[in-house]
Amino acid sequence: SAVISQKPSRDICQRGTSLTIQCQVDSQVTMMFWYRQQPGQSLTLIATANQGSEATYESGFVIDKFPISRPNLTFSTLTVSNMSPEDSSIYLCSVEEMTSYSYEQYFGPGTRLTVT
Amino acid sequence: AQTVTQSQPEMSVQEAETVTLSCTYDTSENNYYLFWYKQPPSRQMILVIRQEAYKQQNATENRFSVNFQKAAKSFSLKISDSQLGDTAMYFCALFAGANNLFFGTGTRLTVIP
Repeated sequence: SAVISQKPSRDICQRGTSLTIQCQVDSQVTMMFWYRQQPGQSLTLIATANQGSEATYESGFVIDKFPISRPNLTFSTLTVSNMSPEDSSIYLCSVEEMTSYSYEQYFGPGTRLTVT
Repeated sequence: AQTVTQSQPEMSVQEAETVTLSCTYDTSENNYYLFWYKQPPSRQMILVIRQEAYKQQNATENRFSVNFQKAAKSFSLKISDSQLGDTAMYFCALFAGANNLFFGTGTRLTVIP
């Protein structure tokens, strides 16, 4: 399975600022995903990042607030812009491994963001 | 539309005992995959077990096994010989071809020494 790392692992930020989270994978992958996990909640997909094209955002998430870059097949960034306390969450990136007969999705260790 | 429901917000089990976590789902797709993920306090999401809908045989991974009832759209996780390290949030998830994993709300499992 793919090994995924994220930076930073945690951060405390002031409202109105922006934070960029990096996700690095040890192998080339087509699709990368960004999830948000609000305190005590389940995971919600923010967007899907495909190399060479714009990210596809889920309902309720917009590019101006969560711009995503995908410069190559092993790396992606998610920026949380103009932060407010409501953005305090764990942000996770993930990748999929898919064949004709199986599917799995693996997650990075997450970035715990606290906005004060 | 896909939905995943976990009706047990919290459960506890004595060490070395067996516990079963429940999950029901809904999808109109014929080809789909079901997963159980574990999230310990470290917050790392760990894939515990996977079940392909086209397989009748229930998946097993060491102490973890599932009871997949396709007609009932039920996918429960059984943990045998529970260990303290099994204490975590457990999420049931469904992948039905939309490039999106749908997660349940999770079950917090506590293993009691």
